[in-house]
Amino acid sequence: QKEVEQNSGPLSVPEGAIASLNCTYSDRGSQSFFWYRQYSGKSPELIMFIYSNGDKEDGRFTAQLNKASQYVSLLIRDSQPSDSATYLCAVIPSYGQNFVFGPGTRLSVLP
Amino acid sequence: DAGVIQSPRHEVTEMGQEVTLRCKPISGHDYLFWYRQTMMRGLELLIYFNNNVPIDDSGMPEDRFSAKMPNASFSTLKIQPSEPRDSAVYFCASSFAGFKNPFFGSGTQLSVL
Repeated sequence: QKEVEQNSGPLSVPEGAIASLNCTYSDRGSQSFFWYRQYSGKSPELIMFIYSNGDKEDGRFTAQLNKASQYVSLLIRDSQPSDSATYLCAVIPSYGQNFVFGPGTRLSVLP
Repeated sequence: DAGVIQSPRHEVTEMGQEVTLRCKPISGHDYLFWYRQTMMRGLELLIYFNNNVPIDDSGMPEDRFSAKMPNASFSTLKIQPSEPRDSAVYFCASSFAGFKNPFFGSGTQLSVL
């Protein structure tokens, strides 16, 4: 089992819709969770991080964490074509200080 | 601040040649990370430094890879000899206080023929 898993996509949503991106992780003791966005040919950039169970909102983005079920999700409201990118989930597991990245989900927002 | 600066942006070399990638972290950041990204394996941490000292190099694939950080403003990742399977994008990132919000450089696209 991979440590951090994401659907590779592509996930296609129409402009204005809600995009829902999911990530599951294997280490139950993980404490820190991050979402990165990476445009094609560019470097990853941090969108949000979440440490506690529940929701965290920042503008059009909401991160949701459920430690019991070991998943973290990212919701993008009012999706725009400029949101089209690969979204990487990253986790800091309990056994180390290193980021473990998921493979990423490619999102395509159709105008 | 100009952000994390990597050079070169693109490197094309032949198998067996030595390759050196360079990184200048953001001033004041005390952590520096080297990552490799491929389609097959995604984004992998190779090594990271804290205050110029290598902390964890368990991600370095083999002895052909080495990394140094002689001072707080410069790091290198060297591959000698290079092989076609080393072809990837290599990112350098830096942060203040650990893995929270590392800033990534633009990356070096390495092609080994």
